[in-house]
Amino acid sequence: AQSVAQPEDQVNVAEGNPLTVKCTYSVSGNPYLFWYVQYPNRGLQFLLKYITGDNLVKGSYGFEAEFNKSQTSFHLKKPSALVSDSALYFCAVRGFNNNDMRFGAGTRLTVKP
Amino acid sequence: KAGVTQTPRYLIKTRGQQVTLSCSPISGHRSVSWYQQTPGQGLQFLFEYFSETQRNKGNFPGRFSGRQFSNSRSEMNVSTLELGDSALYLCASSVSEAGGPADTQYFGPGTRLTVL
Repeated sequence: AQSVAQPEDQVNVAEGNPLTVKCTYSVSGNPYLFWYVQYPNRGLQFLLKYITGDNLVKGSYGFEAEFNKSQTSFHLKKPSALVSDSALYFCAVRGFNNNDMRFGAGTRLTVKP
Repeated sequence: KAGVTQTPRYLIKTRGQQVTLSCSPISGHRSVSWYQQTPGQGLQFLFEYFSETQRNKGNFPGRFSGRQFSNSRSEMNVSTLELGDSALYLCASSVSEAGGPADTQYFGPGTRLTVL
């Protein structure tokens, strides 16, 4: 079965600095990878996904993610963090033959002014 | 397009009662999935419905059930509530004609269930 690991519970960055939220995955066959963001008392908002093709995926709100097959990673990045980016971020994976989306435990991003 | 809507947003029940949560998907979306989110277990998949049929099921007891109607709206039911059922229940919809794993799921705001 597929699984996702987000090794950091918490990431703190200063506003204007680049941010990275890490994600590694395990799946049989080709992975389908997703990033979502959750603000307090809200559902999950879709940021971006990797299906195939270019390893660098661009998404909403200036976020991008880099797929690395050899390291089985899909790290979320943003060149310049905003205070409003502070939220809970989830990485998720599906395998080719399975619609069961598995989520990581989440990483709480705090951007300080 | 309107997003995924869930009703009610908040619910308080007591142990032993049952509860029904409702989800209306984005117009044109035919797949609806349900998730339970708790601080301890994170996001866990409950089940997925497509064309009124349960297509996939997570590892939850039979007290958790669901259904989908012909207009793609979905309900989930939890019977004999336990304290541990307190959680945020999230519904997500996707276009999902053939059940493709590449489909993006769009989430509703959730129903916060508190069991006393």
